Amino acid sequence: LAKTTQPISMDSYEGQEVNITCSHNNIATNDYITWYQQFPSQGPRFIIQGYKTKVTNEVASLFIPADRKSSTLSLPRVSLSDTAVYYCLVGDNTDKLIFGTGTRLQVFP
Amino acid sequence: GAGVSQSPSNKVTEKGKDVELRCDPISGHTALYWYRQSLGQGLEFLIYFQGNSAPDKSGLPSDRFSAERTGGSVSTLTIQRTQQEDSAVYLCASSDPEQTQYFGPGTRLLVL
Repeated sequence: LAKTTQPISMDSYEGQEVNITCSHNNIATNDYITWYQQFPSQGPRFIIQGYKTKVTNEVASLFIPADRKSSTLSLPRVSLSDTAVYYCLVGDNTDKLIFGTGTRLQVFP
Repeated sequence: GAGVSQSPSNKVTEKGKDVELRCDPISGHTALYWYRQSLGQGLEFLIYFQGNSAPDKSGLPSDRFSAERTGGSVSTLTIQRTQQEDSAVYLCASSDPEQTQYFGPGTRLLVL
């Protein structure tokens, strides 16, 4: 399984764009990159998944460079409700995916 | 459609008692995970079931913890002789073929 490294915490203000980068230097050819969001007192929920280049949905964008050794989750114009823990996971569809400690994002007014 | 459900939502028990936590995954999902999360901490992997394969028990913290999955669907996590350090939220997730995990609401266990 590819190991991931992401910042422990980040702070932002409402209306700003937030970019959270995850490093996964030993990502394998068949591995996908998946991000989850967890609010207090809730289980994590899927945000976005990608393999290469850029993926965008109604919640976020995911940027993956050509070497795929890192990925960046981009949250446009964050609000207070985006305060949560964000997890980066890497694996293929035959692996169990294990959550790390995630990045704790705090959005201030 | 119905998501992952867990029961009970809250459980208070006395030290030394056994507890059983139940997880009903999304129908058709072959993979099922159990995690534990202490207050303010990340998710701690406990056990993983995938189809008919032998479960991956590498995350179970002690032999007091066990889990089974009957008929490839419902799963039960059992903690024997509970200790105060077992107090946590126990989360269950099932995943689709793309390995996207869908989490239940969790069971909050408090051992007095």
